[in-house]
Amino acid sequence: DTGVSQDPRHKITKRGQNVTFRCDPISEHNRLYWYRQTLGQGPEFLTYFQNEAQLEKSRLLSDRFSAERPKGSFSTLEIQRTEQGDSAMYLCASSLLMSSYNEQFFGPGTRLTVL
Amino acid sequence: GNSVTQMEGPVTLSEEAFLTINCTYTATGYPSLFWYVQYPGEGLQLLLKATKADDKGSNKGFEATYRKETTSFHLEKGSVQVSDSAVYFCVSYGGSQGNLIFGKGTKLSVKP
Repeated sequence: DTGVSQDPRHKITKRGQNVTFRCDPISEHNRLYWYRQTLGQGPEFLTYFQNEAQLEKSRLLSDRFSAERPKGSFSTLEIQRTEQGDSAMYLCASSLLMSSYNEQFFGPGTRLTVL
Repeated sequence: GNSVTQMEGPVTLSEEAFLTINCTYTATGYPSLFWYVQYPGEGLQLLLKATKADDKGSNKGFEATYRKETTSFHLEKGSVQVSDSAVYFCVSYGGSQGNLIFGKGTKLSVKP
């Protein structure tokens, strides 16, 4: 296994369009996280899954955002009616529940640009 | 909730110089603390960790000690190399949700 992968790596879209990102975690990891990182800032937590259950959503996750992890493996993050303020790097991370300190392994991210 | 404050960059050093990047945290209790690093063009990687007070995390010549008296977790390296040029994030474990709370990051540039 080569780590967490994300697709696409870059996405340019026009305001108002919908976009969907995919994350494939490390295969045995049962926790999956989504973060957003804007320029000059650290990543901010959006939501996380334990297996297929979405257990927590940040207040940053507006109604236009939805995330799924239907079979407890890969996850998708959809943004509807994109706005320019959605431009950011979207990061996915995974971890193993039984890890004592919850080390999270990050993917390379999907950079979204909304025109 | 938990938060992390780290010194702002950018920091520019000559090779073999001593590095300190300051980090303080606020939290309920004593969360695990981490330093993550992001090398140019790469994803975030865990650099080191400390899971309880007075723990010292170390890796690749970097060290950080979890000090509850000063609520600090400063990153240090005695002799930096050009290859250490990266963005360094001080991170706190968020607690029951399992999420991580990141500082804003400090960009380090090491000149030969």
